[in-house]
Amino acid sequence: DTEVTQTPKHLVMGMTNKKSLKCEQHMGHRAMYWYKQKAKKPPELMFVYSYEKLSINESVPSRFSPECPNSSLLNLHLHALQPEDSALYLCASSQVFSQPQHFGDGTRLSIL
Amino acid sequence: EDKVVQSPLSLVVHEGDTVTLNCSYEVTNFRSLLWYKQEKKAPTFLFMLTSSGIEKKSGRLSSILDKKELFSILNITATQTGDSAVYLCAPDSWGKLQFGAGTQVVVTP
Repeated sequence: DTEVTQTPKHLVMGMTNKKSLKCEQHMGHRAMYWYKQKAKKPPELMFVYSYEKLSINESVPSRFSPECPNSSLLNLHLHALQPEDSALYLCASSQVFSQPQHFGDGTRLSIL
Repeated sequence: EDKVVQSPLSLVVHEGDTVTLNCSYEVTNFRSLLWYKQEKKAPTFLFMLTSSGIEKKSGRLSSILDKKELFSILNITATQTGDSAVYLCAPDSWGKLQFGAGTQVVVTP
């Protein structure tokens, strides 16, 4: 088990559904990240939050909407996803920018 | 354009062998280089390298960075079956990790 907790572990949704992925850490880290990982590929950065403010958006489609309600929580809201969005979504946190990032186990998302 | 290249892409070794994994990079605003091990789920952090020529060690694993030639190597000595995983290198640019494709290591008994 990692110190970054992601829920749910698995999610199956239709293309018209709205769902959210959650990520929580209690290490006092002030930077949090969302990554997308397709099978047999490395993780790809999606969003970076620093001190609860969005710092980096890697040109992610608007059907993915991140939210950082407080320093321990990071959400990823999903709406009108496409089948190609099926992937493992990883959350990570670090003390601040440019410190080692620690990853959660991910949410495996399948879009029907 | 930023580039991260790992080699080899995969290798199979016997328990007890030593493996050397390579990572070359060209990224803007380089701060450090990180190595991760990924088995089934979360990548787990191994090393963060910021200075050239200073070897970092953890048990049977060691790593070094060459900022002039823009590469890093990860060594695993006396390999065990538990070392079987994908090893990822990732240069950091102010919080932005850019992962290489990874090296799949399989250690056979």
